[in-house]
Amino acid sequence: AQKITQTQPGMFVQEKEAVTLDCTYDTSDPSYGLFWYKQPSSGEMIFLIYQGSYDQQNATEGRYSLNFQKARKSANLVISASQLGDSAMYFCAMREGPGTYKYIFGTGTRLKVLA
Amino acid sequence: EAGVAQSPRYKIIEKRQSVAFWCNPISGHATLYWYQQILGQGPKLLIQFQNNGVVDDSQLPKDRFSAERLKGVDSTLKIQPAKLEDSAVYLCASVRDRANTGELFFGEGSRLTVL
Repeated sequence: AQKITQTQPGMFVQEKEAVTLDCTYDTSDPSYGLFWYKQPSSGEMIFLIYQGSYDQQNATEGRYSLNFQKARKSANLVISASQLGDSAMYFCAMREGPGTYKYIFGTGTRLKVLA
Repeated sequence: EAGVAQSPRYKIIEKRQSVAFWCNPISGHATLYWYQQILGQGPKLLIQFQNNGVVDDSQLPKDRFSAERLKGVDSTLKIQPAKLEDSAVYLCASVRDRANTGELFFGEGSRLTVL
């Protein structure tokens, strides 16, 4: 069965420093997609980055990068040069297989950026 | 393009009352989801529609929750009778089929408080 685990309930990072948010997953399907979403206090879910299971390179989107280690089944989010506006909840999510469009989410990590 | 629309944004009811939430996905998105997000937790899938058919409702408490998507476009989620533990944000999301990354697009959510 699909499973997403985020073991860090909360994290602090100093402004302008980098931070890594951990995510491990479990699936028996060779084809899957991994996502990270940001949820500020206002509540909307903002898509950040995507990694496909067959992608050879780690995904990057601006200050966000995904450290994909397939053998370890981990998909950690790295935020470089943290900004105060990065303070939010961050959710890791997985979609199994092509065409199923079933997504599950982890429990989230609350990130607080300190000035 | 217009985003996922949800209403109402906030609703306060007493236990045993009923409530309905409405969602209009992004135009052309055949797959629509309702998630329940309890405070401090990740979104939990309640029901998934493909066009007007139900793909997955295994986690929908069918004794009190119902959902429909009659014309394959907008959808309504109903709770009757509500319980205290139904207090949560109800998120509607949609996805464009056969999209390259397949990220979910979320509405702003409907926050329910049951007193």
